[in-house]
Formats: sequence, C-alpha cells, structure tokens
Amino acid sequence: SQQGEEDPQALSIQEGENATMNCSYKTSINNLQWYRQNSGRGLVHLILIRSNEREKHSGRLRVTLDTSKKSSSLLITASRAADTASYFCATVHNAGNMLTFGGGTRLMVKP
Amino acid sequence: DAGVTQSPTHLIKTRGQQVTLRCSPKSGHDTVSWYQQALGQGPQFIFQYYEEEERQRGNFPDRFSGHQFPNYSSELNVNALLLGDSALYLCASSLPGRDNEKLFFGSGTQLSVL
Repeated sequence: SQQGEEDPQALSIQEGENATMNCSYKTSINNLQWYRQNSGRGLVHLILIRSNEREKHSGRLRVTLDTSKKSSSLLITASRAADTASYFCATVHNAGNMLTFGGGTRLMVKP
Repeated sequence: DAGVTQSPTHLIKTRGQQVTLRCSPKSGHDTVSWYQQALGQGPQFIFQYYEEEERQRGNFPDRFSGHQFPNYSSELNVNALLLGDSALYLCASSLPGRDNEKLFFGSGTQLSVL
C-alpha cells in the first residue's frame, strides 16, 4: 500500500504561473524526496528534505516539510511547458533507502 | 558516464509464463532496488540488493525473486505471471553512505501479460 497521498491528482496551469503540489504521509520519516517522471518512464530525483529540516530550495523548486502535520509541499515557480510531467513524493522511514511513493500529481503547463 | 540501464524496454508474456528483467546500475553504485509501477499509480518497492544479498523486501509474493551479481548488476524474476503483473518495472541504484537515500532510476521495462 502507498504511504503518501498527493494533492491535487492533476493540475493544469499556464506557463509562467507557479505550481504547488502537496503530499501527506502517515508515519514518522527519516526524509522525504520529490521525483519527476516524464511519460511513464524513469523517475528523476529533484530534492531531498530531512526530518529536521523545514525548507529547501533548488533552482525554481521550493520544498517545505511540516512533520507535526506529516505533510510536505513542492512549489515550482515560473513554470515552463517543459515542466509538464508527473511529480511524486516519496518517504524514507528507516535507516535504509526504501522509498514509499504517493500516487503522484500530473502537472500540465500550457504554453 | 552511463546511468542506470534496463533491458528489455518492452516485453509481452502470457499468463503462467516466467520473465527475467535485467538492470545495470550507475557506475560506482553498489545497491540496486526494484519497483513496480502500475498504470496511473506511484511505484511500489519490491526489494533491494546489496552485496549480492536481498537486504529489504516489500509486500510482494515469493513469485518475485531477484539476484545481484558480483559486478552489482541485478535481475528480477517473476514466475507464474498473472494479468495483474502488467506494469512498468523500474530499477534504481544508489551509493553507500548518507547520500544513498537518493536513487537514480532507469527508464524501466514495460511488461504486458496477456
């Protein structure tokens, strides 16, 4: 079964707008990661945030983590058509690196 | 530097058959994990191999087995295929150490069971 739930399941925006995706999980984590997947192919790692961190930035990406609410958000600023993809959050719950993925958010950025 | 490579890209099998999928990890990586991704869903962890042994296993039946070779490459075997085994099978590799929690994924093998 999948640990995380992403919200929304699908998101359609215009180029230049910001996109925000949310992820919730059920049990305590070691870290939380966001991945991107194009057209049902391999996943690409975007950013990792540890349980003792609250916010991380990478280029146009901003990730927040609220462990008290067991939730995270991914913000993509100034979106581009090339950002069109599925975005997944994944949690790590112990010292190993087994990832538990959510169902994903399908983002469409219209030019 | 080659990334994670998987073969074959696509595969069609019939119910009851057996299948073997192959994965070569990214150069310098020694840990290989396998995930199953059904259409429209997130990937689900099958198992992880390190030092030629299964280190962790997800909630998959014994029909799913694997192997890791001394060169760190890996195979995923599925016996007695069911229609529900149709999915994208993803291999991921990682380095030991703190950063090993970041995974590098291959492009996957699309398995169709008819």
